[in-house]
Amino acid sequence: EPEVTQTPSHQVTQMGQEVILRCVPISNHLYFYWYRQILGQKVEFLVSFYNNEISEKSEIFDDQFSVERPDGSNFTLKIRSTKLEDSAMYFCASSVQKGAYGYTFGSGTRLTVV
Amino acid sequence: GESVGLHLPTLSVQEGDNSIINCAYSNSASDYFIWYKQESGKGPQFIIDIRSNMDKRQGQRVTVLLNKTVKHLSLQIAATQPGDSAVYFCAENKDAGGTSYGKLTFGQGTILTVHP
Repeated sequence: EPEVTQTPSHQVTQMGQEVILRCVPISNHLYFYWYRQILGQKVEFLVSFYNNEISEKSEIFDDQFSVERPDGSNFTLKIRSTKLEDSAMYFCASSVQKGAYGYTFGSGTRLTVV
Repeated sequence: GESVGLHLPTLSVQEGDNSIINCAYSNSASDYFIWYKQESGKGPQFIIDIRSNMDKRQGQRVTVLLNKTVKHLSLQIAATQPGDSAVYFCAENKDAGGTSYGKLTFGQGTILTVHP
């Protein structure tokens, strides 16, 4: 069964550093998403991406965040200057069609900011 | 604002029992609902979904019920097994007219523990 692959599985970074979280969506999917989950809390939407541009973003997704599809297979989330409160699980997801039907989530990257 | 919430944060059952996990949503415009299972260290895994033009949908050992009058969603798991132990989330999407790019709003989650 096709999978959404995320790397690394765990990233530790110092406060103020830039991090890039990587995702390889399912190959025929066209819509891409990032979510985060702070430990013990619910999963929160960050951003959706289609046709090489952001289609929707949440209030969490401020100027410190950016997304990119650099080469047609990877989908990345960059946090420019990490803060302690950015520590969370970050999940990438993709879907083949517009809307929430047929989402597939990756296993996540645990980001720890120290 | 919009929110999706759960009545019970934890649920413990014996193996073989039926489990019912509940979810309340506040956005009456939501028209698509999904239940996800999340095991430790993994991403949300799709279980079953339902659109707002239905009130019941059945899968393998799982049933989702939707009551739009009281904005309530439930997940029923028949003959619960130890492998069903996980956190269960409901999520909602407002997809009317195909305008949504798929943003999901998740509830808080219910921890289901199945005792052998």
